[in-house]
Amino acid sequence: ETGVTQTPRHLVMGMTNKKSLKCEQHLGHNAMYWYKQSAKKPLELMFVYNFKEQTENNSVPSRFSPECPNSSHLFLHLHTLQPEDSALYLCASSQARASRNEQYFGPGTRLTVT
Amino acid sequence: LAKTTQPISMDSYEGQEVNITCSHNNIATNDYITWYQQFPSQGPRFIIQGYKTKVTNEVASLFIPADRKSSTLSLPRVSLSDTAVYYCLVGEVGNKLVFGAGTILRVKS
Repeated sequence: ETGVTQTPRHLVMGMTNKKSLKCEQHLGHNAMYWYKQSAKKPLELMFVYNFKEQTENNSVPSRFSPECPNSSHLFLHLHTLQPEDSALYLCASSQARASRNEQYFGPGTRLTVT
Repeated sequence: LAKTTQPISMDSYEGQEVNITCSHNNIATNDYITWYQQFPSQGPRFIIQGYKTKVTNEVASLFIPADRKSSTLSLPRVSLSDTAVYYCLVGEVGNKLVFGAGTILRVKS
């Protein structure tokens, strides 16, 4: 138990569906992250929020839309995804967005796009 | 394009010391080097972090040379439960956080 929870743990969706992934951290952190982890690929940083402001978007397609209503919650809204978007989506949090701050990861959401 | 690179995989036997090196020739001046461990179906978990020279905690040591363009994670006396994927994370020039591709460590009995 890392103090970061993600729901759902598994999600199967069609290419025309709209769904959302949720992340919640109970650690009092100010930075939150979304990562994508595909088979045989390194962790890919998607988005970073620091004190509720989006500070990084690493060229992520617009079919992925993040939302950070407060420092404890992070969402990833999904629409019209492609099969290649199937992956493990990991959420993490840290005290602030800085390399010296340890990131705590959730267990991930395994997404399958059919 | 500078990258953070690690060996793809390593094999070891129980009781041996394992050293995994990460090359990060684009590390930013003020940024740290962090190593994470990941088991299947779990998120990565922090192991150790350092800025320069040597850092040791209860599970590992981290060696960083003076130029900071690489780092070596040292796991003393590994056991079967250390079989996992190990990632280095570095802050690069341009204010980017970059994970290495990960090293699959297989510990055999």
